[in-house]
Amino acid sequence: GNSVTQMEGPVTLSEEAFLTINCTYTATGYPSLFWYVQYPGEGLQLLLKATKADDKGSNKGFEATYRKETTSFHLEKGSVQVSDSAVYFCALSDIQGAQKLVFGQGTRLTINP
Amino acid sequence: DGGITQSPKYLFRKEGQNVTLSCEQNLNHDAMYWYRQDPGQGLRLIYYSQIVNDFQKGDIAEGYSVSREKKESFPLTVTSAQKNPTAFYLCASSTPGEAKYTGELFFGEGSRLTVL
Repeated sequence: GNSVTQMEGPVTLSEEAFLTINCTYTATGYPSLFWYVQYPGEGLQLLLKATKADDKGSNKGFEATYRKETTSFHLEKGSVQVSDSAVYFCALSDIQGAQKLVFGQGTRLTINP
Repeated sequence: DGGITQSPKYLFRKEGQNVTLSCEQNLNHDAMYWYRQDPGQGLRLIYYSQIVNDFQKGDIAEGYSVSREKKESFPLTVTSAQKNPTAFYLCASSTPGEAKYTGELFFGEGSRLTVL
């Protein structure tokens, strides 16, 4: 079945550091890929998405490129802020089902000032 | 403002009791979902519903039940048959037409259930 594997956390960085959170997936066909973010005490919010190979999703300074050849969708940001501290989830669409998403286990990111 | 409202935010239950978590949305979305979140395990799908009066089991439906009598509402009952119910429960919704291409889910703020 479809699955998503994320970089183990937690990740702790200093403010203005470069961020990469790795995400790889296993899927049949051509799923869409997503990054969701969960701030403390809240539900998840869509951060960015990509619907086909070589697409780059971007939002709030975060970027991720849909790499079919490496089955990856790594999240990057050039200069992180304290406000980026959150849990980040990589996900893919279940193309066989009814808009079901398959989530990775989440990566907790803490940014220190 | 449109959104998804989950209640209660925190809930304590004694072993052997059933509890019902509420989820209401005013986004006019057709599809609704319940996910369970445990530390280090990400989100796992419990049940989902694409239209009123219809719902499907997700990956971990055992010990849970749902109903979808109204488009706006999708309550989840955690029964005494659920062996390890302590978790954070998230409700979400989507519009199938958009979700087919974007897959975007809109989430509530969650309900934290603790079994004493």
